[in-house]
Amino acid sequence: EPEVTQTPSHQVTQMGQEVILRCVPISNHLYFYWYRQILGQKVEFLVSFYNNEISEKSEIFDDQFSVERPDGSNFTLKIRSTKLEDSAMYFCASGRLQETQYFGPGTRLLVL
Amino acid sequence: QQQVKQSPQSLIVQKGGISIINCAYENTAFDYFPWYQQFPGKGPALLIAIRPDVSEKKEGRFTISFNKSAKQFSLHIMDSQPGDSATYFCAASRTTSGTYKYIFGTGTRLKVLA
Repeated sequence: EPEVTQTPSHQVTQMGQEVILRCVPISNHLYFYWYRQILGQKVEFLVSFYNNEISEKSEIFDDQFSVERPDGSNFTLKIRSTKLEDSAMYFCASGRLQETQYFGPGTRLLVL
Repeated sequence: QQQVKQSPQSLIVQKGGISIINCAYENTAFDYFPWYQQFPGKGPALLIAIRPDVSEKKEGRFTISFNKSAKQFSLHIMDSQPGDSATYFCAASRTTSGTYKYIFGTGTRLKVLA
């Protein structure tokens, strides 16, 4: 059964550094998302992406964040200058239909 | 108005018992309500989902009950098993909004005792 994959599984970085989180969505999916989950808290929406552009972004997704689908298969989330409060689990999700989203295993980001 | 409230925060059930998790929403524009199961260190996995035009949906031991007038929906896990021990999240989405983002509840940590 196809699944969403994410790399790396863990990332440790220094505050102020740039990080790129990578995702490979399920191949025939059209809708792509990033969510994050701070330890012990609920999953929060960051951004949705469709037809090679951002559909919606949350207030969390400020100018430090960007997304890209560089080659038709990968979907990346870049944090330009990480802050301590960016430490969280970041989940990529994809969907073929508008409503159903399949989540990847996540990347645990720790900003020191 | 964008919130989804979930209860209880944690739940302990004996093996074979029924686990019930409740969610409530305010935005009547929500029209898709999935439940996700999350094991420690893993991503949320879609369990079952419902639209407001039906009052109940059953898949195996998992049932969603939906009360549109009360703006509430619940997950029932029949014959709960230790392998069901996980965190469960309800979510809501407006599929007509063009973005389909999920608003998640705060999660319920379920422990099923052997």
